[in-house]
Amino acid sequence: GESVGLHLPTLSVQEGDNSIINCAYSNSASDYFIWYKQESGKGPQFIIDIRSNMDKRQGQRVTVLLNKTVKHLSLQIAATQPGDSAVYFCAENTGNQFYFGTGTSLTVIP
Amino acid sequence: NAGVTQTPKFRVLKTGQSMTLLCAQDMNHEYMYWYRQDPGMGLRLIHYSVGEGTTAKGEVPDGYNVSRLKKQNFLLGLESAAPSQTSVYFCASRENWDNSPLHFGNGTRLTVT
Repeated sequence: GESVGLHLPTLSVQEGDNSIINCAYSNSASDYFIWYKQESGKGPQFIIDIRSNMDKRQGQRVTVLLNKTVKHLSLQIAATQPGDSAVYFCAENTGNQFYFGTGTSLTVIP
Repeated sequence: NAGVTQTPKFRVLKTGQSMTLLCAQDMNHEYMYWYRQDPGMGLRLIHYSVGEGTTAKGEVPDGYNVSRLKKQNFLLGLESAAPSQTSVYFCASRENWDNSPLHFGNGTRLTVT
C-alpha cells in the first residue's frame, strides 16, 4: 500500500512567524498532491494542490513545494495566525485513490 | 451550495446493531468516497464510487457495505456493528477529471459499545 508520512507530528510557532510542514510520499507514480487543514470537529478543508509537473505553487499566504527526486512535499504558511492552528495533512493521488499522511498538529502561540 | 453533507453527526450503537450513514453532495460530482479516521492514522478508504450505480472496495472494506443509487447520495451501511468500527467517518466527493481535489463533509462520529 501507499505510505505517506510527515516528519513531525507537532509544530508550535509564534504568531507572525512562517510555518513549514513537511511530508514524504512513497509512490513515484503519484501525479497530484494536496494539502488539507482540519480543525477540531470538522472535515478536512482543501488548502492548496500541486501537479507533478510543477515544483512550486503559491496561494494566499501558502506555498507548496514539490521535490519529486526525494519524494518530498512541503507546505509553507506565511505570517502564521492563530486561526491557522489545526492539523495539516498531505495527500497523494494515484488513479482514483488518495493516500493520506497522519497529520501535523500546528499550534500558533499568540 | 451546501457541499457535502453527512448525517447523522453523532451516533452510539451497541455491538451487533446496524445503521446507515448518509452522504449527500450538491456539486454534481461523479466520484464519492467513504473514509474512516482513527487516532494516529491517516484517513483510510473504505469504499468509493466512480458513478451512479457503481461501487468499489477501498483499503478497509470489511464490515461495511455501500450503495450509490442516486448520483448525489452515497450510503455507508454497517450490518452488525463492532467496537472496532468506532471511528469518525468522512464522506468526500470530487469531479471526474484528473487532478481534482476531494471535498469533505464534516464527519459522523460513531461509537460502538
